Amino acid sequence: GQQLNQSPQSMFIQEGEDVSMNCTSSSIFNTWLWYKQDPGEGPVLLIALYKAGELTSNGRLTAQFGITRKDSFLNISASIPSDVGIYFCAGRKNSGTYKYIFGTGTRLKVLA
Amino acid sequence: DVKVTQSSRYLVKRTGEKVFLECVQDMDHENMFWYRQDPGLGLRLIYFSYDVKMKEKGDIPEGYSVSREKKERFSLILESASTNQTSMYLCASSPADLRGLGTYGYTFGSGTRLTVV
Repeated sequence: GQQLNQSPQSMFIQEGEDVSMNCTSSSIFNTWLWYKQDPGEGPVLLIALYKAGELTSNGRLTAQFGITRKDSFLNISASIPSDVGIYFCAGRKNSGTYKYIFGTGTRLKVLA
Repeated sequence: DVKVTQSSRYLVKRTGEKVFLECVQDMDHENMFWYRQDPGLGLRLIYFSYDVKMKEKGDIPEGYSVSREKKERFSLILESASTNQTSMYLCASSPADLRGLGTYGYTFGSGTRLTVV
């Protein structure tokens, strides 16, 4: 089955730095979601995007639905230690399916 | 607080055993899903169900089956556990997206880490 490619796979950053990650596909999607998974827990929904070009924020997090509809981006500003975890993107191709396709994940580690 | 509850956080089973992973949601969601999570591979869909007694295969159904006898409960069954089924298993649920607007994401459980020895 198809999976979305996330970049980078993992990253170490210093506390206070900004973080950028992206998710790409060869297919067009009409919905993009971003999830965060804390260690030992299930993923939790952070942001949902429904229109090409849409930019949506949730606190220090900002996500964008790419213009081509084949990619999405997540930025975290002024990172803090509790930002550590795995960030997953998920995309849905059309309105007729219940299924989201998930990315391979970006593991974030924040150095205090 | 609404939630998806997976019955076990950690399980250790022997090769060849029949294994049941249970998932219960209290949100009256129509859709339920089972994923496995492996490092570098992300989340891969095993099976999903959009209604009681209805099921569809996901991307990696081999070696698994599912049961949904009640709306709130979705069980994943490993018919004969093998070491390559050692993984983190995640259950999720969502409402039926009747308007087709993609406005509903999934709510995940905390996961069951299964080790097959």
